[in-house]
Amino acid sequence: SQTIHQWPATLVQPVGSPLSLECTVEGTSNPNLYWYRQAAGRGLQLLFYSVGIGQISSEVPQNLSASRPQDRQFILSSKKLLLSDSGFYLCAWSGRARFLYEQYFGPGTRLTVT
Amino acid sequence: SQQGEEDPQALSIQEGENATMNCSYKTSINNLQWYRQNSGRGLVHLILIRSNEREKHSGRLRVTLDTSKKSSSLLITASRAADTASYFCATAPLTQGGSEKLVFGKGMKLTVNP
Repeated sequence: SQTIHQWPATLVQPVGSPLSLECTVEGTSNPNLYWYRQAAGRGLQLLFYSVGIGQISSEVPQNLSASRPQDRQFILSSKKLLLSDSGFYLCAWSGRARFLYEQYFGPGTRLTVT
Repeated sequence: SQQGEEDPQALSIQEGENATMNCSYKTSINNLQWYRQNSGRGLVHLILIRSNEREKHSGRLRVTLDTSKKSSSLLITASRAADTASYFCATAPLTQGGSEKLVFGKGMKLTVNP
């Protein structure tokens, strides 16, 4: 069966510090991978998605970046965090299809920038 | 603008009652999906309805889709305290080349009181 892992679960970082969040998927090959951010009590904002190794699409201009160094690994990074980067970060995967069907989400990372 | 808009934004009911949540969207879609999010957790896929379907059932869930009105409803029958969560609708936009993204609504908070 497929599983998706995210770590860390919680993170408190000072403004201006770097960030690296990791997401890995097991039990599937060639998944589409996604990073979302959810502000408190709000909906999901798609940040990045990837349809293959090294292929990253950015949805929102910001000081975050994403990379996919391996088929089932997706990394969200920042060189210098801003207060506005606080939120709940969710990684998700889906199978390949012409139109997107089910997405499967990881447990999320709660980031607080102080 | 947000593709999916859930209505109402918050709903509080007693255990055993039915809960109905509505979702409206703006563009043509290939499918519409509903997800549940327990507090502080990732989203869980509940049910998917394709654009050529009008109604679908899964256990205590019933989803309807009216593409002429660009709206969907999710009915949870005989609610339980464990159904307390936020519920999101998400649409897969119908574009010529297909779509690798879902567009999520802002979510609706359901509270089921024991």
